[in-house]
Amino acid sequence: DIQMTQSPSSLSASVGDRVTITCRASQGISNYLAWYQQKPGRVPNLLIYGASTVQSGVPSRFSGSGFGTDFTLTISSLQPEDVATYYCQKYNSAPFTFGPGTKVDIK
Amino acid sequence: EVQLVESGGDLAQPGGSLRLSCAASGFTFNSYAMNWVRQAPGKGLEWVASVSGSGGTTYYAVSVKGRFTISRDNSKNTLFLQMNGLRVEDTASYYCTKGGAGWYTKHWGQGTLVTVSS
Repeated sequence: DIQMTQSPSSLSASVGDRVTITCRASQGISNYLAWYQQKPGRVPNLLIYGASTVQSGVPSRFSGSGFGTDFTLTISSLQPEDVATYYCQKYNSAPFTFGPGTKVDIK
Repeated sequence: EVQLVESGGDLAQPGGSLRLSCAASGFTFNSYAMNWVRQAPGKGLEWVASVSGSGGTTYYAVSVKGRFTISRDNSKNTLFLQMNGLRVEDTASYYCTKGGAGWYTKHWGQGTLVTVSS
């Protein structure tokens, strides 16, 4: 099965900083990659699918890129409400594995 | 508005069984794949199982294959997860999720807690 990894596992950044989270698949998955945000105590929320398509209603500071094995989620200007854990998920074929998550805090 | 309401979570003994249900509304239920995703306390997300819109195709995580069964009743807009042979490590909040234009999750329920303990 394809393994999903994320880096870093956690990060602390200042408000207004550009934040980049990386997700890597152990084999190519084309662009079948989704990103989710889970705020503390809340249900996860879809941010991006198809590696780069931003879900309706998601702030424009969120963007995604990548193809094959390497993907990134970028927050162009970190805001206090972005404190959350971010997960990637592959969905090209089962198993639809999630990455281990990246916890983002404000410095 | 899409609504997914899970029920059936409870305390169960190791080796026991539970059946989770998810009542769906606000969309054409039989047009979308549905999934179960779980999250153990303080841990990350784990995909559990998926079923196609027709119910004819199912997929399972290795950790639950042979013990859990995902199914759906399209006449009642309801998703199920039959959980047999429960283990302590199955303790988690179980989320019913609706697929998007693919096997990712576009909408999430609020979750139902399953606790497996003697």
